[in-house]
Amino acid sequence: DSGVTQTPKHLITATGQRVTLRCSPRSGDLSVYWYQQSLDQGLQFLIQYYNGEERAKGNILERFSAQQFPDLHSELNLSSLELGDSALYFCASSGGPRLADYSLSYNEQFFGPGTRLTVL
Amino acid sequence: GIQVEQSPPDLILQEGANSTLRCNFSDSVNNLQWFHQNPWGQLINLFYIPSGTKQNGRLSATTVATERYSLLYISSSQTTDSGVYFCAVLTNNDMRFGAGTRLTVKP
Repeated sequence: DSGVTQTPKHLITATGQRVTLRCSPRSGDLSVYWYQQSLDQGLQFLIQYYNGEERAKGNILERFSAQQFPDLHSELNLSSLELGDSALYFCASSGGPRLADYSLSYNEQFFGPGTRLTVL
Repeated sequence: GIQVEQSPPDLILQEGANSTLRCNFSDSVNNLQWFHQNPWGQLINLFYIPSGTKQNGRLSATTVATERYSLLYISSSQTTDSGVYFCAVLTNNDMRFGAGTRLTVKP
C-alpha cells in the first residue's frame, strides 16, 4: 500500500458527460501528479500540483482540468467525455515541489491504485 | 518533443535468468525514472537515476546521460518480476514515458 488513495476505482459513463476523479496523497506529501494510461497513448503525464499551485503541465486536454485543495487532496475533472478518454488514471504524490528535482529521496513518487474510466 | 524508446518490447525468461532492458532518449534530460507495473496494474517507482549506477537488491540501473540511454538490469529473475517496465525522462516541466518492456518470467 503506497498510502495514496484514489476514488472511485471504476467509473462507467457516457460520451458527453463530466466526471471527477479524486486523489488523496500520502500524509505530508505536498505534490500531486496525474497520469493517464490508455491502450492508444500509453502512459502520459497530465499535470502536477504543489501545495495548491500548478507546477507542470503535460499532455492534458483543454476538456480536462485539475485542482489541489487546501487539505492537499486533488481532483481531476474530465468533461465532454469521448470514447478515447477511456483509460486508467493514476495519481501519484511526492514531497518535492518540482517535477525534476534531482534529489531521489525528496521527489520519489508514490502511486495510487488508479481509477479505471470507461466511456460508452 | 523528446522521444523515448524502450527495447525489447517483450521479453520472456525462465526463472533465475538475468536480463537487461534498455531506454534510449532523444535529448538532454534532467532526470530519468524506471517504473514497474505489476500484472495487477500497480505502478512502483524503482529508480531515480539521472546518471551513474544504482542498485537495489537484484535490480540495478545505469544511466549514461551523455550518450542518452539507461539500462535496467534484473538478476536471478523471479516470477514476481513479471509485468511491464517503463522508463520516463524528466525535463523541467514535463515527463515522457517509453512504451515499456513487457517481461514474463516463467517458473
